[in-house]
Amino acid sequence: GDSVTQMEGPVTLSEEAFLTINCTYTATGYPSLFWYVQYPGEGLQLLLKATKADDKGSNKGFEATYRKETTSFHLEKGSVQVSDSAVYFCALSDPAAGNKLTFGGGTRVLVKP
Amino acid sequence: SAVISQKPSRDICQRGTSLTIQCQVDSQVTMMFWYRQQPGQSLTLIATANQGSEATYESGFVIDKFPISRPNLTFSTLTVSNMSPEDSSIYLCSVEYFANEQFFGPGTRLTVL
Repeated sequence: GDSVTQMEGPVTLSEEAFLTINCTYTATGYPSLFWYVQYPGEGLQLLLKATKADDKGSNKGFEATYRKETTSFHLEKGSVQVSDSAVYFCALSDPAAGNKLTFGGGTRVLVKP
Repeated sequence: SAVISQKPSRDICQRGTSLTIQCQVDSQVTMMFWYRQQPGQSLTLIATANQGSEATYESGFVIDKFPISRPNLTFSTLTVSNMSPEDSSIYLCSVEYFANEQFFGPGTRLTVL
């Protein structure tokens, strides 16, 4: 079956540091890939997505590129802020599995001033 | 994107009782989903709720424990029946608004004593 693996947290950074969260996947079909963010006490928000190989999703300074050859979708941000402290989830939607979302385990990011 | 609300936002319940969670969307959607997020964990799909048909449950989840209603294209309920402390989780509904994109409600935080 489909699966998503992302680096375990917590990741602790100083403000303005560079953030990378690794995400790799396995899928039966040709999936769409997503990053969701969950701020403390809130539900999930879609952060960015990519639907085909070499697509780059971007939003709020975050970027991730769909790498089919390495089955990866790593999340990056060049300069984090305290307000980026949250849990980040990598996910895929596989048409071969009825487009159900499969989530990674989540990575907690803590940005300190 | 869709505006999704859930009621209640949180509740504390006694074991053996049942709680019904409501999910309301501001526009008509075909696909609605219910997820469980256990403490410190990722999201697990409970079931897919389509209007006019019975919900489709994922492995490990059964209708007797998690009955779902979907009376129209903007509303769904999930009941957590005969609760035990192991049911303490955040329960989230989501909708597929655009192809392959799911938007999530704010979640219902359930604590079972």
